[in-house]
Amino acid sequence: QVQLVQSGSELKKPGASVNVSCKASGNTFSRRYMHWVRQAPGQRLEWMGVIDPSGVSTIYAQRFQGRVTMTRATSTSTVYMELSSLKSEDTASYYCATEKEAVAGLVYWGQGTLVTVSS
Amino acid sequence: QSALTQPASVSGSPGRSITISCSGTSSDVGTYDYVSWYQQHPGKAPLLLIFDVSKRPSGVSNRFSGSKSGNTASLTISGLQAEDAADYYCCSFGRGSTWVFGGGTKLTVL
Repeated sequence: QVQLVQSGSELKKPGASVNVSCKASGNTFSRRYMHWVRQAPGQRLEWMGVIDPSGVSTIYAQRFQGRVTMTRATSTSTVYMELSSLKSEDTASYYCATEKEAVAGLVYWGQGTLVTVSS
Repeated sequence: QSALTQPASVSGSPGRSITISCSGTSSDVGTYDYVSWYQQHPGKAPLLLIFDVSKRPSGVSNRFSGSKSGNTASLTISGLQAEDAADYYCCSFGRGSTWVFGGGTKLTVL
């Protein structure tokens, strides 16, 4: 069983950056691909990207390329998602999520972090 | 990559069955057997129902089933129950090793 605990809500001004963290429990963190998914209020789920277990390789959805950076720290079992040049349209709940051995789907989810972008 | 296409809403009576479609392209659903389905209740994180088109994770009711034909995947819920009322999302692995979600479908249990 894996638990993902995310950092708290954020209020940011347009043009600023936000860094959301996600700490994983258990001893399998170093083997897990970690995904980020966001959901604007009343809107659909949107996949943002994934970071591989080593932290060397990342794949980002095209619409976020150039604005998003995903990193991870094995020593603290934590992944980070930084989104820059924030706009009001980036107001959303941001979720980290991960798969399970032999299950190609997002089994474990964080509780979500609400990021509000407003002047 | 464009979102997969789902109907905005579906409805059904308790005990009946419903099917939600998920239309993609040859760059995602049509090529890869990595289609998953999620259930989301208001204010909650999504729950994985189906992976690899038709497999269920342990603990998920066998009332949920998945299939695929060509560029379209489907989720069927049989024996509808009141607690099935929720939003449902499909998701596919796609070109460039990216993932893409559908637009979501709101299920109403009448």
